[in-house]
Amino acid sequence: AQSVTQPDIHITVSEGASLELRCNYSYGATPYLFWYVQSPGQGLQLLLKYFSGDTLVQGIKGFEAEFKRSQSSFNLRKPSVHWSDAAEYFCAVGARVSGGYNKLIFGAGTRLAVHP
Amino acid sequence: DTEVTQTPKHLVMGMTNKKSLKCEQHMGHRAMYWYKQKAKKPPELMFVYSYEKLSINESVPSRFSPECPNSSLLNLHLHALQPEDSALYLCASSQVGLAGSGETQYFGPGTRLLVL
Repeated sequence: AQSVTQPDIHITVSEGASLELRCNYSYGATPYLFWYVQSPGQGLQLLLKYFSGDTLVQGIKGFEAEFKRSQSSFNLRKPSVHWSDAAEYFCAVGARVSGGYNKLIFGAGTRLAVHP
Repeated sequence: DTEVTQTPKHLVMGMTNKKSLKCEQHMGHRAMYWYKQKAKKPPELMFVYSYEKLSINESVPSRFSPECPNSSLLNLHLHALQPEDSALYLCASSQVGLAGSGETQYFGPGTRLLVL
């Protein structure tokens, strides 16, 4: 079955420190992988996605993610965290459902807190 | 412009009320989605419309009734809801909604619904 696991429910980092959020997926075919960010009470904003090609993907706000097929992972990184990065981060995989349509399967999310 | 708009931002309704949520996009997308998100949980897919036709219904109770009057608009009609239906309702859109395309879903800010 298709699934996404984000092992860390809550992470706290200091402003200026580096960040890595983990994501592991289970999907039979070539996955389409996404990272979204959600500020409190807001919708989801796309940070980046992996579709094909280069396994190191650059996104908005200085984020990047690396697709590692051998480890079934798509970890999100940022070299220096800003206080405004505090939010909920969701990893998702695009999955095929009946009729050939597409749905997103989300991980449980990682809540990032940033200390000044 | 990658904006999806949703109205209202907040909604309080009684269990006997009838209300509607509205979603609009002007990106020329032909797939539109409704998600439900409970507090501290990831979004869960409810419905998908592709080319104004209901393509996916994730076994949602009939008290939720979606409608896609045209390619830019998506409504969610609510009737006889239960307190456990209180949640953030997110709308999203993408190009066509077909699997295998790796297309991005763009999310609106959501409607926060409270059922009393």
